[in-house]
Amino acid sequence: VMTQSPLFLPVTPGEPASISCRSSQSLLYTNGHNYLDWYLQKPGQSPHLLIYLGSNRASGVPDRFSGSGSGTDFTLKISRVEAEDVGVYYCMQGLHSPLTFGGGTKVEIK
Amino acid sequence: QVQMQQSGPGLVKPSQTLSLTCAISGDSLSSSNASWSWIRQSPSRGLEWLGRTFYRAKWYNDFAPSVKGRININRDTAKNHFSLQLNSVTPEDTAVYYCARQGVLAAFDFWGRGTLVTVSS
Repeated sequence: VMTQSPLFLPVTPGEPASISCRSSQSLLYTNGHNYLDWYLQKPGQSPHLLIYLGSNRASGVPDRFSGSGSGTDFTLKISRVEAEDVGVYYCMQGLHSPLTFGGGTKVEIK
Repeated sequence: QVQMQQSGPGLVKPSQTLSLTCAISGDSLSSSNASWSWIRQSPSRGLEWLGRTFYRAKWYNDFAPSVKGRININRDTAKNHFSLQLNSVTPEDTAVYYCARQGVLAAFDFWGRGTLVTVSS
């Protein structure tokens, strides 16, 4: 089970934001990688990949996004929120079948 | 650039079979570096991974327990596409269905645009 918090996050442009994701099982594999990804789904679009293996930014993702954590506790941080960052953020574990997503965190501009 | 083009009906009657196809361009269904999944999204269930197919010297399928027994994923390597079949559907299967690729990053790096499937008589 993947548990995200908060469910709703009102943010001020230019300010930092942080989303937490907790897994009921460790996502740390024997190869040293954490199989935890972050996705952003903007309204009317498919989710798209932001962070893979816990802390690696996907191609084209701005460096204001960062992922951290290991084992069962992970965090997505946005250093300075921009208006285009609104949407629903999901974590997903890719280590244990069935693959599972968190319930989502809706980020909106205050 | 990988593209995934979904097709299939948007309305299915209860007890019938939901069938969707995902055509791949820019990669091979038979790639040993990729897995090909079906994921759905509904207000009540959120994002739900349904299953995947992948080739590692031989073909494998892996299905979520929530749909096991009702799901199959078929492959057509000649057409480079894979298909979802979900049997005995009920209104609870109403959702937006996505196909997606897990590549070498071990994450879903490419997604289809989604197909809204409504189960209703």
